This record gives sequence, C-alpha cells and structure tokens, in this order.
Amino acid sequence: DIVMTQSPDSLAVSLGERATINCKSGQSVLHRSNNQNYLAWYQHKPGLPPKLLIHWASTRESGVPDRFSGSGSETDFTLTISNLQAEDVAVYYCQQYYSLPTFGQGTRVEI
Amino acid sequence: QVQLAESGGGVVQPGTSLRLSCVASGFPFRSYGMHWVRQAPGKGLQCVATISFDGSNRYYADSVKGRFTVSRDNSKNTLFLQLSSLRAEDTAMYYCAKDRGEGGGFDSWGQGTLVTVSS
Repeated sequence: DIVMTQSPDSLAVSLGERATINCKSGQSVLHRSNNQNYLAWYQHKPGLPPKLLIHWASTRESGVPDRFSGSGSETDFTLTISNLQAEDVAVYYCQQYYSLPTFGQGTRVEI
Repeated sequence: QVQLAESGGGVVQPGTSLRLSCVASGFPFRSYGMHWVRQAPGKGLQCVATISFDGSNRYYADSVKGRFTVSRDNSKNTLFLQLSSLRAEDTAMYYCAKDRGEGGGFDSWGQGTLVTVSS
C-alpha cells in the first residue's frame, strides 16, 4: 500500500489568513498514461461524511470555493486554504488512488 | 441528486458477523466503482474495500483481508459489505462512497452506519 503522510497534524490559523497542509506519498502517484496525479483532498467535519474538495491534485470540485487550491506532483502535494473562514474548521485528508486508495492521517485546522 | 444510504450497523460481540448494505440512487449505479471507508473513534479514514462497476475486481485493506467481503447487486442498486470474525478494532463508522469515475477520488458519500464490536 502507498503510505500517505501529512504535515502538520494540526494547525491554528487566524480568520482571513492562509492555511497550508502538506502531503507526501511513499511513491509517485503520477500516472504517465494521462499525466495526471491520482491525488485528492477531502474536508471532514464532525457528524458529516467527508467531502471531496479537489481531485487530480489541483482540480476543484464543482461548488468548492476558490479559496481552496491544490498543487504538487509525483510525491509532494499541498492544500492551501486562503482567506480562512470559520466554516473551514475541519479535518483535511489527502488520498491517493493510484493503487488501492489510502488516506493521510489527517490535519486538523482550527481558528 | 446522488444519494447513498447505509444500514446494518449495530453492537455485536467479537468473533461474530454482520452485513452492511448501501442503497444508491440518483446515478447509474452499475457504471461506477464503489468503496467502503471506515473511521474508528478518534482515528482517520481507512478505505477497507473497493469493488469495480461490474463486481469483477475487488480489493481489500490488509487489516480486513480474509474477513470482509464486498459485493454488489446492480439490479437492486445496492452495495454490501460482509464483516466476519469481527474484532474490537473493527469498531468504526462505516461509509459507502461512490467513485468519481476515471479516477478522481470519491465524490459522494453516505451518512455512515456505526459498527461497535464489544463483549
């Protein structure tokens, strides 16, 4: 299985500031056949199911605010939340789906 | 819109079995791979089982291999997870999730069903 490691485990950010979450995969998740990184980001709030924010490492899902952005390639990825809002408090997970899907351990974002 | 509704969770004793179901609606179920993801109390997400759109390919996390079986009935738009030889560490919220298709992550999730394994 591909091991996904996120950093930090938690972070506190002031309203309106930027939150940056890093994700490292144990091997490249770049599929050479279509030049896509098989990497997704999810937001998980208590009492709710996880929500897909970004797929292909940088493509936002429909309806996701543009303050959420993803970047990176092969083994190193970043989720950036610009202009942090109160409703962004959640745990964020990266996930690879290059092989049997695996998640990072999660990063808790607080105000 | 896409809806996924899990059922079948409960409190069971170690060593026993349970079958979870996930009824899907709002999309062509037979065209998409499906997944079971769990979250143990205070822990992160773990994908425990994946099944292809036609059921011909199935994959399991090492921690459940040989004990859990994923299946689907495309005529009834239903996904199943048979849990056997349950252990305390299988205690978790179990979610079914729809594959986005052509890769791309899991774009729809059910509300989850809670499985508690305790003597």
